[in-house]
Amino acid sequence: TQLLEQSPQFLSIQEGENLTVYCNSSSVFSSLQWYRQEPGEGPVLLVTVVTGGEVKKLKRLTFQFGDARKDSSLHITAAQPGDTGLYLCAGGSYSGGGADGLTFGKGTHLIIQP
Amino acid sequence: DTGVSQNPRHKITKRGQNVTFRCDPISEHNRLYWYRQTLGQGPEFLTYFQNEAQLEKSRLLSDRFSAERPKGSFSTLEIQRTEQGDSAMYLCASSLGGLAYGYTFGSGTRLTVV
Repeated sequence: TQLLEQSPQFLSIQEGENLTVYCNSSSVFSSLQWYRQEPGEGPVLLVTVVTGGEVKKLKRLTFQFGDARKDSSLHITAAQPGDTGLYLCAGGSYSGGGADGLTFGKGTHLIIQP
Repeated sequence: DTGVSQNPRHKITKRGQNVTFRCDPISEHNRLYWYRQTLGQGPEFLTYFQNEAQLEKSRLLSDRFSAERPKGSFSTLEIQRTEQGDSAMYLCASSLGGLAYGYTFGSGTRLTVV
């Protein structure tokens, strides 16, 4: 069973501060994705990374996939109240058995206070 | 394209009743997934279709759960003899295929079993 551990579980910071959330596993993933979810809604895809060491930027968000493809981080610069939400990482691998469903972490609840 | 549509948004049912949820994926997406999410947890994989073929089922999917995707278009998830432990958000997602592509999730169906 592939498990993804996200940390911290909860984070509350002031507007304008920087933050990093982490996603770690003992398993190697072919693909790692980050989603943001608001209460009562489905997750929305932010980014997909597939290459070890890959870095992707989405405005003030920077995503990195670990060299060994076992971990990932999400860094937010100058956080804004609109960044508030549940951030989920999800990993997938071609296990040879046809498995195609993503494994999700429990998420990081982020609150940006104005 | 209106994205992934799920109906109903909310369902309250008495224990022992059967319920059915519907998912309409993005029309060009050949892959469709069902996930379940409980409070404080990330989504858990239930089952996956490629076109009309159900290719994988999680061990979470007991015999009381059945999913179909006739003609490779919309999908239904039925839960028979509901139990209180079935209370959760049921999420549907679709994808163009492969782990390099992200999922597009619907808004989910919130099931409450009383």
